[in-house]
Amino acid sequence: GDSVTQTEGLVTLTEGLPVMLNCTYQSTYSPFLFWYVQHLNEAPKLLLKSFTDNKRPEHQGFHATLHKSSSSFHLQKSSAQLSDSALYYCALSDRTGKLTFGDGTVLTVKP
Amino acid sequence: EAAVTQSPRNKVTVTGGNVTLSCRQTNSHNYMYWYRQDTGHGLRLIHYSYGAGNLQIGDVPDGYKATRTTQEDFFLLLELASPSQTSLYFCASSDAWGGEQYFGPGTRLTVL
Repeated sequence: GDSVTQTEGLVTLTEGLPVMLNCTYQSTYSPFLFWYVQHLNEAPKLLLKSFTDNKRPEHQGFHATLHKSSSSFHLQKSSAQLSDSALYYCALSDRTGKLTFGDGTVLTVKP
Repeated sequence: EAAVTQSPRNKVTVTGGNVTLSCRQTNSHNYMYWYRQDTGHGLRLIHYSYGAGNLQIGDVPDGYKATRTTQEDFFLLLELASPSQTSLYFCASSDAWGGEQYFGPGTRLTVL
């Protein structure tokens, strides 16, 4: 079946440094890939979604590039902000509407 | 913005108890989902539905039943609750496969 792997459970950064959160996936077809963000005591919300035409999605300074050759959809930002501290989930959607999430990466940004 | 509500927001029950979690969405979305969230396991899909009367099995369905009574309402039933079902439960809706999922605020369930 489909699976999503996020290798880092916890990432701690200093404000202003670049962010990169890893996401790889396994699927027998070409799924949609997503990044969801969950701030403390809130519900998950969509951050980014992959495009079918290889465009790079961007939102709130975050971007991610879908690399089908390496089955990856890493999340990046050039400069971390304190408000970026949150739990980040990578997820893929199959053609039945089912969403499979990775285990999540907790990002903590320190001053 | 899409609206998904859940009730109750908090629930405490005892082992063997009967619990119903409710979810309502007012977005006219076809797809609705129930997830549980546990530290170290992320979000895991319990059941989902394409529309009223439809039910699909997710990845962790054991011990859970679900029913979609209308396009708006999706219920999760725990008929014999166990401590292993202590968790934070989220409901979500989406207009299509591959579409953004909108999450409700969550229900925290404790089974003693």
